[in-house]
Amino acid sequence: GQNIDQPTEMTATEGAIVQINCTYQTSGFNGLFWYQQHAGEAPTFLSYNVLDGLEEKGRFSSFLSRSKGYSYLLLKELQMKDSASYLCAVRDKGNSGGYQKVTFGIGTKLQVIP
Amino acid sequence: DTGVSQNPRHKITKRGQNVTFRCDPISEHNRLYWYRQTLGQGPEFLTYFQNEAQLEKSRLLSDRFSAERPKGSFSTLEIQRTEQGDSAMYLCASSFEVGDRRFAGANVLTFGAGSRLTVL
Repeated sequence: GQNIDQPTEMTATEGAIVQINCTYQTSGFNGLFWYQQHAGEAPTFLSYNVLDGLEEKGRFSSFLSRSKGYSYLLLKELQMKDSASYLCAVRDKGNSGGYQKVTFGIGTKLQVIP
Repeated sequence: DTGVSQNPRHKITKRGQNVTFRCDPISEHNRLYWYRQTLGQGPEFLTYFQNEAQLEKSRLLSDRFSAERPKGSFSTLEIQRTEQGDSAMYLCASSFEVGDRRFAGANVLTFGAGSRLTVL
């Protein structure tokens, strides 16, 4: 099975930088996603890491260390609209043998304050 | 393509009734997922399909839940004899599943807007 841990809530100030951590334990790991979900809306894709290292995309960056089972999402120059839940999701070999399924963590609710 | 479409968007039913949700994925996507989400939680895996084949069903699901994807296109999720604990948002997502990351957008799940179920 999978075990994905991330903080449940964080608060940060507009214009600042925030790092949201995610640790996971799984077998057959084959990628980690970060999704953003505003209240009452569907999750939207932010990033996908398969190899170790940092992937940068505008104000958002995501890091992966497969040996440590660790990832983080870095948000720079925070804006009020960044207030949302951030979901860490792991793609791994489920119980179907050879196929990959995606399992989500509980999500980190980020509140950006003025 | 208008993305992933889910119907109905909202369903209110009485305990003991059956409900069915439909998901129309992005047309070229071969993988389809169903998740359930309650307030303050992340999406909980229910089941997924590769084309028309159902690959895995969550052990958390009772036999009251069944999903189909008869022609490898749209999918239905049926809940029989609904209970108040079934009240949740039911999310469908699709992806184009390939092993080669060079395909842009491959393996990324695109979600529908969800179907919200309220069981009275």
